[in-house]
Amino acid sequence: QQPVQSPQAVILREGEDAVINCSSSKALYSVHWYRQKHGEAPVFLMILLKGGEQKGHDKISASFNEKKQQSSLYLTASQLSYSGTYFCGIPGHSGYALNFGKGTSLLVTP
Amino acid sequence: NAGVTQTPKFQVLKTGQSMTLQCAQDMNHNSMYWYRQDPGMGLRLIYYSASEGTTDKGEVPNGYNVSRLNKREFSLRLESAAPSQTSVYFCASSEQGDTEAFFGQGTRLTVV
Repeated sequence: QQPVQSPQAVILREGEDAVINCSSSKALYSVHWYRQKHGEAPVFLMILLKGGEQKGHDKISASFNEKKQQSSLYLTASQLSYSGTYFCGIPGHSGYALNFGKGTSLLVTP
Repeated sequence: NAGVTQTPKFQVLKTGQSMTLQCAQDMNHNSMYWYRQDPGMGLRLIYYSASEGTTDKGEVPNGYNVSRLNKREFSLRLESAAPSQTSVYFCASSEQGDTEAFFGQGTRLTVV
């Protein structure tokens, strides 16, 4: 089942902060985050695992709330290079392939 | 490092034609996936292969077939293309299910 992301889009000035949310209707064991720049392939940012372990990017942080079945991605002191579409993904019922949300478009302006 | 390679990068088909999208990875990954991406819809899973020799349907499998030819290669076939299959197709691979996925550069397919 597809996770729900919010907001759909956000525009920031360089240096500002943003939060992107991802929620699921089913229990979460892990959440993946990817970023896709226009015309390019999605690129891995991080994985959050049940229990709090986080693997991935060192300048972007995220939280994982198992009880609320949601994850949030925190982009602090945004840079122009942060622009793109952010997707969260959660493993399907098989535990293998990811089901992605519809994405959050982030534009960072000078 | 090649990573995940998809061919072709662009393709135009006429309705009813068939074609196969090729995908190969050189990272010795066990799992491979096919997604389609349409504006406003995110990435939707078509088929996946958890390991060599196995394939399973994803969210939108109708109109597609797949073959896991060997550990490296996972192809997607459109038997009779329809305009609704106009999309960008991404192949991805990962070591196993719940690990970092690597995506190919995509195939932009237009069915007229």
